[in-house]
Amino acid sequence: QVQLVESGGGVVQPGGSLRLSCAASGFTFSNYGMHWVRQAPGRGLEWVAFIRYDGSDKYYADSVTGRFTISRDNSKNTLYLQMNSLRAEDTAVYYCAKDAAATRSFDYWGQGTLVTVSS
Amino acid sequence: EIVMTQSPATLSVSPGESATLSCRASQSVNSNLAWYHQRPGQAPRLLIYGASTRATGIPARFSGSGSGTEFTLTISSLQSEDFAVYYCQQYNNWPLTFGGGTKVEIK
Repeated sequence: QVQLVESGGGVVQPGGSLRLSCAASGFTFSNYGMHWVRQAPGRGLEWVAFIRYDGSDKYYADSVTGRFTISRDNSKNTLYLQMNSLRAEDTAVYYCAKDAAATRSFDYWGQGTLVTVSS
Repeated sequence: EIVMTQSPATLSVSPGESATLSCRASQSVNSNLAWYHQRPGQAPRLLIYGASTRATGIPARFSGSGSGTEFTLTISSLQSEDFAVYYCQQYNNWPLTFGGGTKVEIK
């Protein structure tokens, strides 16, 4: 069965950096695009970033462009999100999500990792 | 950026009744629309993609319709596990965007 397990969340000061990881299993990771989606406390869902199956193309939300970098290591079945210049408004649960075949919807989600940006 | 607007914000429904949720896009997204629900403390779950195709394992009481800018999710005969927040999402254009959500609560 498909499993996505995020890690790397925690408390960081404004301006700081954090790297999130998402370990994937139960499917051929190298065949699928992957996303990061976040949810601020008590708020709705916000798509953050996407990477193609082979890492050849990436897209970002305007709110994180230039600060966040999505990457993947297909040999390790792992997705990453490098977050720099963090702001209070980046505080959220960060989910990794698998791209559904032939669409850009999200057919499997991890349980999320909480990132808190606070001094 | 395509803005997705969901209505109503909250819907109060009795178990066994049906619920109709709306989602409107600020410009056409063709049929590139998905619906999710999210129970408290859980990750979202894909219900519908392509505006009307149920995802794997989703019961037939969930149905989606619409194209262009107007979409509807109908849940017939609500079960206890259906009380949750529902989100629509367009994937016609980058950036991908979600609606603000509709909370379906027990009446």
